[in-house]
Amino acid sequence: GIQVEQSPPDLILQEGANSTLRCNFSDSVNNLQWFHQNPWGQLINLFYIPSGTKQNGRLSATTVATERYSLLYISSSQTTDSGVYFCAVEGRDSSYKLIFGSGTRLLVRP
Amino acid sequence: GAGVSQSPSNKVTEKGKDVELRCDPISGHTALYWYRQSLGQGLEFLIYFQGNSAPDKSGLPSDRFSAERTGGSVSTLTIQRTQQEDSAVYLCASSTLSGQASFFGPGTRLTVL
Repeated sequence: GIQVEQSPPDLILQEGANSTLRCNFSDSVNNLQWFHQNPWGQLINLFYIPSGTKQNGRLSATTVATERYSLLYISSSQTTDSGVYFCAVEGRDSSYKLIFGSGTRLLVRP
Repeated sequence: GAGVSQSPSNKVTEKGKDVELRCDPISGHTALYWYRQSLGQGLEFLIYFQGNSAPDKSGLPSDRFSAERTGGSVSTLTIQRTQQEDSAVYLCASSTLSGQASFFGPGTRLTVL
């Protein structure tokens, strides 16, 4: 099945810093989503981005489907950005199930 | 509703008992998904519903797991004869259509003693 790899596994930032999280996937995908899991465990959908670039406030994401990767940019990080960021993909077999990466754990220090 | 809701939020049960977990999706969402999250396995897909039918049951770990959805809305995940390895957070998600952006509920934390 499709493999999803995220890097880095852990990231510590000072408040105000910028960061880039990466997601590589092993095969063509129908869709790709980025989620933030907050310290209380709630998964929040950040982007639905099978291709192209989207921006939402301080966050933006780019997916280059032909090269099988996606990037999540966090600018001017805040302590509330802490948590785990997951990339999830749906393979071309159209099974509609999301395959999740193992996540990037982000800690933003004040 | 405004978001996906799940109940109970926490469930502690004894090994061998049956449990039922409930998911109430966002109103109007036709697709519903169950996942579980555990320390050792990360986030894994269990089952997906389009309307009331489940075209993909491939992720159910064993025949002790079953799920149903009625009226194109509420879904119930049932685990029979629970085992300690079933301990995990069970997450439900819904989307407007299959393959669109998924929105997750807060989860049910299941602990099997």
